[in-house]
Amino acid sequence: KQEVTQIPAALSVPEGENLVLNCSFTDSAIYNLQWFRQDPGKGLTSLLLIQSSQREQTSGRLNASLDKSSGRSTLYIAASQPGDSATYLCVGGTSYGKLTFGQGTILTVHP
Amino acid sequence: NAGVMQNPRHLVRRRGQEARLRCSPMKGHSHVYWYRQLPEEGLKFMVYLQKENIIDESGMPKERFSAEFPKEGPSILRIQQVVRGDSAAYFCASSPPQGYITGELFFGEGSRLTVL
Repeated sequence: KQEVTQIPAALSVPEGENLVLNCSFTDSAIYNLQWFRQDPGKGLTSLLLIQSSQREQTSGRLNASLDKSSGRSTLYIAASQPGDSATYLCVGGTSYGKLTFGQGTILTVHP
Repeated sequence: NAGVMQNPRHLVRRRGQEARLRCSPMKGHSHVYWYRQLPEEGLKFMVYLQKENIIDESGMPKERFSAEFPKEGPSILRIQQVVRGDSAAYFCASSPPQGYITGELFFGEGSRLTVL
């Protein structure tokens, strides 16, 4: 049974800082690893998807890595902005869309 | 092209009443998933449906909860005789006809159920 753990649970940083969010998972037979963003009262927005055969994905100021052997993924956010404030979810996926979510990291970027 | 539509967005029920949550997948999508987010907890898988079929309901509570995805119309998550512990955000997601192969899963904005 897949379990996903995220640390830290909450993070508060000043604008402009680079930061790293960490995620670990127990089952290395992961189909893919996704990072989502969740804003209060809103749905989920997919940020980056890494297939099991890949090591990393990049989109703008975001970079996500996947190390299946160690069961870890990181999300790197460069030059953080107040608009990045949200909950970030690390999610392990099976081949048919059954996702296992981490508890999330609540990020606050203050001006 | 509308995204995944869920309604109602907010629903208040008294203990013992029934709650029905509806999900219309994205146009052309034939796979629907329901996830539940209890207060202060992460999202948990409930059920995976294709048109007229339940594929995986391993996350559904054994009693009072049921889901369907009929040939016509939205997917329905039904909770009978609600209790306070059912208060949560219920998220629906859909994926294209070829399934989740590409990892594309689109989420609705959720239905927030409050049980008084």
